[in-house]
Amino acid sequence: ELKVEQNPLFLSMQEGKNYTIYCNYSTTSDRLYWYRQDPGKSLESLFVLLSNGAVKQEGRLMASLDTKARLSTLHITAAVHDLSATYFCAVSPGNQFYFGTGTSLTVIP
Amino acid sequence: DADVTQTPRNRITKTGKRIMLECSQTKGHDRMYWYRQDPGLGLRLIYYSFDVKDINKGEISDGYSVSRQAQAKFSLSLESAIPNQTALYFCATSDYGGADTQYFGPGTRLTVL
Repeated sequence: ELKVEQNPLFLSMQEGKNYTIYCNYSTTSDRLYWYRQDPGKSLESLFVLLSNGAVKQEGRLMASLDTKARLSTLHITAAVHDLSATYFCAVSPGNQFYFGTGTSLTVIP
Repeated sequence: DADVTQTPRNRITKTGKRIMLECSQTKGHDRMYWYRQDPGLGLRLIYYSFDVKDINKGEISDGYSVSRQAQAKFSLSLESAIPNQTALYFCATSDYGGADTQYFGPGTRLTVL
């Protein structure tokens, strides 16, 4: 059974602090996706990582992929309140997409 | 206007009723997907379609059926709704090749009593 595990599931952090969300997956996949979901809203694509060692950055968020370790990280730098949301990773080893259970991030002033 | 639309946005129904959720897209994508989201379980794929003549079961297709009426339209049906199908349902599209990023609709909140 393919598994996509994120940790932590819940994260409460102070503004200005740094933190990392981890995404582990149990099968080979050359693509990994990160999405953001605001409460009551749909999912919005953040990053697509297409190869081992890929790193992408947008504002205070940086995502990386290690396909050998089957691990992706989403690093948050100097968190601000606007980053409060649920973050999902997903892999697509074939034609289907498999999502992690999500990390609910709350940034406290 | 939104690129991926879903109707209805909210629906309350009773056990045993037949329900259809509709999805339309103006992105011109060939690939369309239906997911359900449950608290603590993330998103799970129900069905996906790569073109009008291509329908595939996803991770949790039991109790659901789909119809791809056109490139732009993909409907999800619950033939006889049951309470554990209460969930948030999302339609998504993606373009073949390259990153294959998915674009999600706004979601349909379905409650089965």
